[in-house]
Amino acid sequence: DAKTTQPNSMESNEEEPVHLPCNHSTISGTDYIHWYRQLPSQGPEYVIHGLTSNVNNRMASLAIAEDRKSSTLILHRATLRDAAVYYCILRDDKIIFGKGTRLHILP
Amino acid sequence: KAGVTQTPRYLIKTRGQQVTLSCSPISGHRSVSWYQQTPGQGLQFLFEYFSETQRNKGNFPGRFSGRQFSNSRSEMNVSTLELGDSALYLCASSTGTGGFSDNSPLHFGNGTRLTVT
Repeated sequence: DAKTTQPNSMESNEEEPVHLPCNHSTISGTDYIHWYRQLPSQGPEYVIHGLTSNVNNRMASLAIAEDRKSSTLILHRATLRDAAVYYCILRDDKIIFGKGTRLHILP
Repeated sequence: KAGVTQTPRYLIKTRGQQVTLSCSPISGHRSVSWYQQTPGQGLQFLFEYFSETQRNKGNFPGRFSGRQFSNSRSEMNVSTLELGDSALYLCASSTGTGGFSDNSPLHFGNGTRLTVT
């Protein structure tokens, strides 16, 4: 079973920030939180990962709760090309993906 | 740098046959993992290899097997195909060693779409 819980779908307007939540209440101290996204007809694409501190890269930001039981992927300015399924996973030995969040971007 | 390459892109097989799928990782990546993606079950982990050794295996029957070669290229084989094996099979490579505590990002190919009739 997946160790993370995400909403099935979310909607956002183009050019607005998007906050994608993920709950991982059973996270262990050494589990890294990884985010991937999958565009139609493509394999998943790495977005960002972190352990305890908030992380930023050119694609997104990752905000990790102090107790590490939840995290939020932040897309600062959504574009139509960000419409995808976003997966939050705990990088463990068996790399278990949940069902992810389908993000719809409204023009 | 070339990405992860999976061949063939599409495959149609008949129930009872066997199939072999190929994955070429990004140059320098020594860890390769395989996944099955279906609409009902989502992305499911099959197995992971590092340096020609299987590091981890998911909950799939023995009909699903894999191997990794000395050049890090990997193949997976499914024997005695069933209709339920129809899926997108994805391969990912990474710079890590695989297994527990490996936190290196996964780089996925675009998959092989297998249809079993």
